[in-house]
Amino acid sequence: SALTQPASVSGSPGQSITISCTGTYSDVGNYDLVSWYQQSPGKAPKLLIYEVNKRPSGISTRFSGSKSGNTASLTISGLQADDEAHYYCCSCAGSATVVFGGGTELTVL
Amino acid sequence: QVQLQESGPRLARPSETLSLTCTVSGAFVHSGGYFYSWIRQRPGKGLEWIGYVYPGGTTHYNASLQSRATIFVDTSKNQFSLNLNSVTAADTAVYYCARDVSEKYYFDLWGQGTLVTVSS
Repeated sequence: SALTQPASVSGSPGQSITISCTGTYSDVGNYDLVSWYQQSPGKAPKLLIYEVNKRPSGISTRFSGSKSGNTASLTISGLQADDEAHYYCCSCAGSATVVFGGGTELTVL
Repeated sequence: QVQLQESGPRLARPSETLSLTCTVSGAFVHSGGYFYSWIRQRPGKGLEWIGYVYPGGTTHYNASLQSRATIFVDTSKNQFSLNLNSVTAADTAVYYCARDVSEKYYFDLWGQGTLVTVSS
């Protein structure tokens, strides 16, 4: 089943926020293969973080990832207005399959 | 610059088969190092992985769609495709094709997505 994310989070410009992604030992807890995606309205998702804490070229250092046990987290520091979007986590779920989280809507106040 | 582009009918009839194709440009699908996936997003909902195909043809599917989904690759056309049979209104969604880094299970490249509506 889908990984669990909060439906929404919010923060003011300049602040930091963290989005959690909770799975089980069958997915998040068993593999360092968690990725995070940013999706703006009407757009395709964009890769932000892979393998828990690695950033692709061109992604700001304001985005960081971590994992503890069955929960992964995405932290966005120095919030900016254009960070407002939906964020999705994804994990390897064994047997060569993947599972996404339900998504979190970030509002920048 | 590698790009993915979905194509196919925007309307499917209930009980029939939804068929989409993803054309890869700027790289060869047979060159290795990647899987090729289909992912969908129902209106107002989250992302749902459908499945992927290796360049050699091996496939893996989401268990919830395995009985209805078929993904295959055509290396001669540098394309991969999705067939989803026995569709219902619940299959109305934006369908994305995406490139999945082999054995790392993350999607580094996405198509723009195409909305397919299931309706009579």
